[in-house]
Amino acid sequence: GAGVSQTPSNKVTEKGKYVELRCDPISGHTALYWYRQSLGQGPEFLIYFQGTGAADDSGLPNDRFFAVRPEGSVSTLKIQRTERGDSAVYLCASSLNGQAPEAFFGQGTRLTVV
Amino acid sequence: KQEVTQIPAALSVPEGENLVLNCSFTDSAIYNLQWFRQDPGKGLTSLLLIQSSQREQTSGRLNASLDKSSGRSTLYIAASQPGDSATYLCAPGGRYNQGGKLIFGQGTELSVKP
Repeated sequence: GAGVSQTPSNKVTEKGKYVELRCDPISGHTALYWYRQSLGQGPEFLIYFQGTGAADDSGLPNDRFFAVRPEGSVSTLKIQRTERGDSAVYLCASSLNGQAPEAFFGQGTRLTVV
Repeated sequence: KQEVTQIPAALSVPEGENLVLNCSFTDSAIYNLQWFRQDPGKGLTSLLLIQSSQREQTSGRLNASLDKSSGRSTLYIAASQPGDSATYLCAPGGRYNQGGKLIFGQGTELSVKP
């Protein structure tokens, strides 16, 4: 696609529910990143995929968070048993490869846990 | 662990002024550094990418410099316009084995008054 696409743009869920956030990277980009941005803060790294595999998941806050990229393109970030503290904007980015080229970001998914 | 600081946190200037945004980082072993712009409620737009071997990059009215050894980068905006109002984020890219993972500062919120 022309840019990184994230769906939904907004998601409101009840505490304790399960949510999935989707990211469709730029076509041909092998590297994909998830970040989380809280109000007034810069984005915080969550996980990095190179192809289908998670090359670095050191930013995932706990085991309620999981992400997959089964075919090396679209990625899904999954959050189980959501908590109010999970409310944030979840940003996805892709780059041509993992060797330090330019990263392009999607518009983000604003998650609100009530 | 990489830590990024951006100064000032907020800046308000009249239209037409030249201005400088500052970014400092603690780990100088970076692969590159990107400057982004973020409009309220939106994703990140890449402005400039400086590779670690470069000293500066220019795009239109924007010029970014990098002094890797001292852990500093500056973004210079010439002849500022109200449309430049946004939050500007600096993000050094990690070492090779961290892929293109970016560590963000908290940003500088810029307001350009007509």
